[in-house]
Amino acid sequence: GESVGLHLPTLSVQEGDNSIINCAYSNSASDYFIWYKQESGKGPQFIIDIRSNMDKRQGQRVTVLLNKTVKHLSLQIAATQPGDSAVYFCAACLFGNEKLTFGTGTRLTIIP
Amino acid sequence: DTAVSQTPKYLVTQMGNDKSIKCEQNLGHDTMYWYKQDSKKFLKIMFSYNNKELIINETVPNRFSPKSPDKAHLNLHINSLELGDSAVYFCASSQSGDRGFYEQYFGPGTRLTVT
Repeated sequence: GESVGLHLPTLSVQEGDNSIINCAYSNSASDYFIWYKQESGKGPQFIIDIRSNMDKRQGQRVTVLLNKTVKHLSLQIAATQPGDSAVYFCAACLFGNEKLTFGTGTRLTIIP
Repeated sequence: DTAVSQTPKYLVTQMGNDKSIKCEQNLGHDTMYWYKQDSKKFLKIMFSYNNKELIINETVPNRFSPKSPDKAHLNLHINSLELGDSAVYFCASSQSGDRGFYEQYFGPGTRLTVT
């Protein structure tokens, strides 16, 4: 099976700074990874995904990096804003298999 | 224009009761899911249906029974509720394709409190 863990349960970042949230997974066969953002009282919201044939993917203010050698991925958020405060989850699965395994989440707090 | 909706948003009930949570998606997706999120925010999949057929059935007590009347709906019925069932339950949907299953879209959640 797969287990996914985030390195830090909480992270505080000054507004305007960049933040990096790290995640490790256990199953080297996992080949599809997703980052979700969950704001208080809401459901998880898709941010960005990456397949194992890539090591980097960029979105709007977000970048996901994948290191398959050490089974690690990270989410970088540029120029953080107060609206970025939320719990961030990484999730992994075998591509084509609908069963996502979620990590434990990192609570990101943006300090004004 | 809600994509994935759930009812009710809050549900408070006593131990031993039977309750249902409903989920609907208007995204045209063919796969729907139920997740349970505990007090530590840990999200765990419970069930998944693809085109009304059960494709994931995790180790969940058989007091939990999902029902999918059509591709757009997936309901969760819980019998004989226990204190440990208290959690937030999320419904999600995704679209399968020749590239596999795409990202899952989540509903707003149903907070179940069993007293």
